[in-house]
Amino acid sequence: EIVLTQSPATLSLSPGERATLSCRASQSISNYLAWYQLKPGQAPRFLIYDASNRATGIPARFSGSGSGTDFTLTISSLEPDDFAVYYCQQRHSWPLTFGGGTKVEI
Amino acid sequence: QLQLQESGPGLVKPSETLSLTCTVSGGSISSSGYFWGWIRQPPGRGLEWIGSMSYTGTSFYYPSLKSRVTISVDASKNQFSLELSSVTAADTAVYHCARLWVVTDIPIAFDIWGQGTMVTVSS
Repeated sequence: EIVLTQSPATLSLSPGERATLSCRASQSISNYLAWYQLKPGQAPRFLIYDASNRATGIPARFSGSGSGTDFTLTISSLEPDDFAVYYCQQRHSWPLTFGGGTKVEI
Repeated sequence: QLQLQESGPGLVKPSETLSLTCTVSGGSISSSGYFWGWIRQPPGRGLEWIGSMSYTGTSFYYPSLKSRVTISVDASKNQFSLELSSVTAADTAVYHCARLWVVTDIPIAFDIWGQGTMVTVSS
């Protein structure tokens, strides 16, 4: 199965700052990567698909990039609601797998 | 707007079967272009995909769980279910139901999720 490694595990930032989250795949997955936002007690939020396409209703401050094995989720200017845990997920092959997550904290 | 809601016991004894149901509201489970499935998150760990199924019966499962997992779709009730047999403490997790957006059975992303339900395996 394809292993996704996210870094850093924790990112400590302030509102208004830029967040850069990394996801690395154990083999090339083309651009078949999605990103999600998780908060305790809430339904996870679908952010990005195919590396760089924002899901419906996702603000422009969220952007994704990358292809092959290296991917990035960027939040251009953190808002208080953005402090959460972010996961990447590949769809290149079954089984579908997730990264270990990056916590963005104040 | 389509929503998913998990339901089921919060406590299951070791060696027994974990059974959860996800109720779909605001849309039809029979819509083409989607699979329906489950993802879990053990305490302190990341997300683990369990399996997904279309309403027509096409299914995919995580290999190490496949022998213990059954996912079923009931279009008449607009629900889908998870059964995980022979559970151990390692199956303790928050279980999310989720809609998997597909194009000709090729997965794209989990576009709608339930908020999750905690299931503890303990005697």
